[in-house]
Amino acid sequence: KNEVEQSPQNLTAQEGEFITINCSYSVGISALHWLQQHPGGGIVSLFMLSSGKKKHGRLIATINIQEKHSSLHITASHPRDSAVYICAVPGGIQGAQKLVFGQGTRLTINP
Amino acid sequence: DVKVTQSSRYLVKRTGEKVFLECVQDMDHENMFWYRQDPGLGLRLIYFSYDVKMKEKGDIPEGYSVSREKKERFSLILESASTNQTSMYLCASSLRTGGSWYYGYTFGSGTRLTVV
Repeated sequence: KNEVEQSPQNLTAQEGEFITINCSYSVGISALHWLQQHPGGGIVSLFMLSSGKKKHGRLIATINIQEKHSSLHITASHPRDSAVYICAVPGGIQGAQKLVFGQGTRLTINP
Repeated sequence: DVKVTQSSRYLVKRTGEKVFLECVQDMDHENMFWYRQDPGLGLRLIYFSYDVKMKEKGDIPEGYSVSREKKERFSLILESASTNQTSMYLCASSLRTGGSWYYGYTFGSGTRLTVV
C-alpha cells in the first residue's frame, strides 16, 4: 500500500508570503492529486498531475516522479487561501481504483 | 457545472437508528466512493463501487453497507447508528480507468453526521 507523508502539518504565514507544502509517497505512481478543503466545507480538487508542473492562478504544483515527491506552492498568499491542503495518490497495484490520502496541511494566512 | 451531490449537509440521528446517506453524480462516472473524515485520522475509505450493483469494501467497512442500484446514485447505510460513527462523510466519483489514472475525481460537499 502506498504511504503518503505531508509536511508541514500546520503552517501559519502572513499575507503575501510564498507558501510551500510538500508531499512524499512510497510507491511509484502515474499521477497525484492536490485537494483543498476550507473549514467546514467539502473537498475541491485543485490539480491532478503526472509530470513537471501545473499552474492555476496563484497555485503551482510540481512533481518529481523519480524522487516520489510533489510540492504545492502558493504565491502572494491571501487569507482566503486558509484551508487544509491534501495530497492523494493511487493505492498501489492492488488498490489501483482507490486513493491514499496524506494527513493534510492546515494553512492559516493572517492579514 | 458537473457535480457530486450529497443529500444532507448536517444530520443528527439517535443511537440504533438506521441511517441512509445519499450521493448522486451527474457525470456518468463509473466509480463512486464513500469516505469518512475524522480529526487526526484523515480520509478513510469505507466502500467503493465500480459499476451498478458492484461494491467492494474499503479500509473501514464495519458497521456500514452500501447500495448502488443506478449508475448515478450510491447510498451509504448505517444499519444501527452508534456514537462512534459521528463523523464527516464524503462521497466521490471518478471515471473508470485501466490503470491508476483518476480522471475527473470529484468530491461532494460532505455530510456531517452526529449520532446522539
